[in-house]
Amino acid sequence: DAGVTQSPTHLIKTRGQQVTLRCSPISGHKSVSWYQQVLGQGPQFIFQYYEKEERGRGNFPDRFSARQFPNYSSELNVNALLLGDSALYLCASSLGPRGSHEQYFGPGTRLTVT
Amino acid sequence: GDSVTQMEGPVTLSEEAFLTINCTYTATGYPSLFWYVQYPGEGLQLLLKATKADDKGSNKGFEATYRKETTSFHLEKGSVQVSDSAVYFCALRSISSGSARQLTFGSGTQLTVLP
Repeated sequence: DAGVTQSPTHLIKTRGQQVTLRCSPISGHKSVSWYQQVLGQGPQFIFQYYEKEERGRGNFPDRFSARQFPNYSSELNVNALLLGDSALYLCASSLGPRGSHEQYFGPGTRLTVT
Repeated sequence: GDSVTQMEGPVTLSEEAFLTINCTYTATGYPSLFWYVQYPGEGLQLLLKATKADDKGSNKGFEATYRKETTSFHLEKGSVQVSDSAVYFCALRSISSGSARQLTFGSGTQLTVLP
């Protein structure tokens, strides 16, 4: 079975631009979470979506937004990019939002802001 | 809030050496605890987990025991291999996460195993 897929793999943007990252969860999984991993640090939680509803949001500015589609895939949008937004963006899918539902991570999208 | 503190790296060992990576946590209630591994250029893979006090998670020769009295979840392996070279993350999922149940990660420990 296919795991979590993310696109694109790598992306280079300029400060002030906007970016959209995409994630397809494992078949049958209805929950998607997004994490930001800055080089040399652990991942930080950005959003969780379940059944197209936002279930949680981390400590990130309003420049960050996301949505989930009827097929449970998800997009993460970042507006007005800053140099500090350069990071690996990880998507994780799970059956649902419960703590007992294991999260499976995709390979990530490497975003570089110049 | 929830937090995870793990042993800073990098850690360099010779093949067949014993490995310990320390991890301690702060959380409300009784969190679930995890170790994830990240190989170069890849995403995170779940290595092992424990969901209640005194549980021992184990996988691929790695072990960690949930110690509530010391709020710790140290990762151990008796004999490391070159293929174990990676970054290891300790993480928790707590009831204080609200309905999101998101993971809170430590900063990671880079392990290099030399032949």
